Amino acid sequence: TQLLEQSPQFLSIQEGENLTVYCNSSSVFSSLQWYRQEPGEGPVLLVTVVTGGEVKKLKRLTFQFGDARKDSSLHITAAQPGDTGLYLCAGADSGGGADGLTFGKGTHLIIQP
Amino acid sequence: GAGVSQSPSNKVTEKGKDVELRCDPISGHTALYWYRQSLGQGLEFLIYFQGNSAPDKSGLPSDRFSAERTGGSVSTLTIQRTQQEDSAVYLCASSFGRVPQYFGPGTRLTVL
Repeated sequence: TQLLEQSPQFLSIQEGENLTVYCNSSSVFSSLQWYRQEPGEGPVLLVTVVTGGEVKKLKRLTFQFGDARKDSSLHITAAQPGDTGLYLCAGADSGGGADGLTFGKGTHLIIQP
Repeated sequence: GAGVSQSPSNKVTEKGKDVELRCDPISGHTALYWYRQSLGQGLEFLIYFQGNSAPDKSGLPSDRFSAERTGGSVSTLTIQRTQQEDSAVYLCASSFGRVPQYFGPGTRLTVL
């Protein structure tokens, strides 16, 4: 069974600060997805990374896939209250099927104005 | 609508009753997924439909759970003889590929 550990579980910081959240596993993934979920809503796909060492930027968010494709990080620069939410990572195994998508438990992020 | 819709948004039922949860995916999306999200847990895969292929039911936790997708569009997840441990938010998603891209708002199921 593949497991994805996300850290920290909870993070509360002030507006304007930078932060990094992590997604780690002992398993290799063919791709890794990051989602953001707000209360009462379903997750929203932010990015997919597929190549070891890949870095993708989405405005103030920077996503990195580890060289060995076992881990990933999400860095937010100058956090805004609108960044508040539950951030979920999900790794796809080599089979690529929906049943092979393993979700972490998420990082609850609160940005205080 | 432009997004994935689910109904009802909330469902309270008594232990032992059957429930049906509905998902309307984005028009044209070939793939439809059902997940379950419990408090403090990650998303748990339930079932995956892709086009006209046989669904991947490997995530269904017991034979009390079943799902169908009619005409390649609307899907219904049925839970028979509900148990308290079935209480969770049931999420539906659709996409063109093997990764769920657009999720609905979910149905919060409470079994008393």
